Amino acid sequence: SAVISQKPSRDICQRGTSLTIQCQVDSQVTMMFWYRQQPGQSLTLIATANQGSEATYESGFVIDKFPISRPNLTFSTLTVSNMSPEDSSIYLCSVEDLDPPRVTQYFGPGTRLLVL
Amino acid sequence: AQKITQTQPGMFVQEKEAVTLDCTYDTSDQSYGLFWYKQPSSGEMIFLIYQGSYDEQNATEGRYSLNFQKARKSANLVISASQLGDSAMYFCAMREFTDNNDYKLSFGAGTTVTVRA
Repeated sequence: SAVISQKPSRDICQRGTSLTIQCQVDSQVTMMFWYRQQPGQSLTLIATANQGSEATYESGFVIDKFPISRPNLTFSTLTVSNMSPEDSSIYLCSVEDLDPPRVTQYFGPGTRLLVL
Repeated sequence: AQKITQTQPGMFVQEKEAVTLDCTYDTSDQSYGLFWYKQPSSGEMIFLIYQGSYDEQNATEGRYSLNFQKARKSANLVISASQLGDSAMYFCAMREFTDNNDYKLSFGAGTTVTVRA
């Protein structure tokens, strides 16, 4: 199974600043996903990041606010820009692991962000 | 419209008993997948089990089994012989293909399970 690490694991930031979250996978994967989980809520997909192409954003999320990079098949970054307290959430990176006949989607440990 | 519905916000179960977590889904696709994840208080998302829409047999993974009823669009998770460590939030999720042939997971609201000694 894929092993996913995220940095930082948590951070406290001031409003108006930006934070870049890194996601590293121990194997090459085609698709990487970024999710947000607001306090007490379920997971919401922010965007899908394929290597070599622009990220695809879900409704309600825009590139100016959440720019994503995907420079290779094992790494991606998500930046939360011009932060406000409403951005306080857990941000999770996820990848699909295809090992037929099993299909799984794994998640990183998450980045807990608090915006003051 | 909500694609994944989990109607049980919270459940209590006695240790060593079985518990069933409900999940219904809504899709017009023929090909889709259903996942269950466990999220303990630490926040990590732990993959439990997967069921493909074309799988004829219900998926099983150790103490976890998925009761897949395609016509009713339900994919209930059964946890047998509950343990104290099973206390967590459980999410049902559905994978669908998108217009550009990518896919994405949609999650339900989750069910909190508390196992009592």
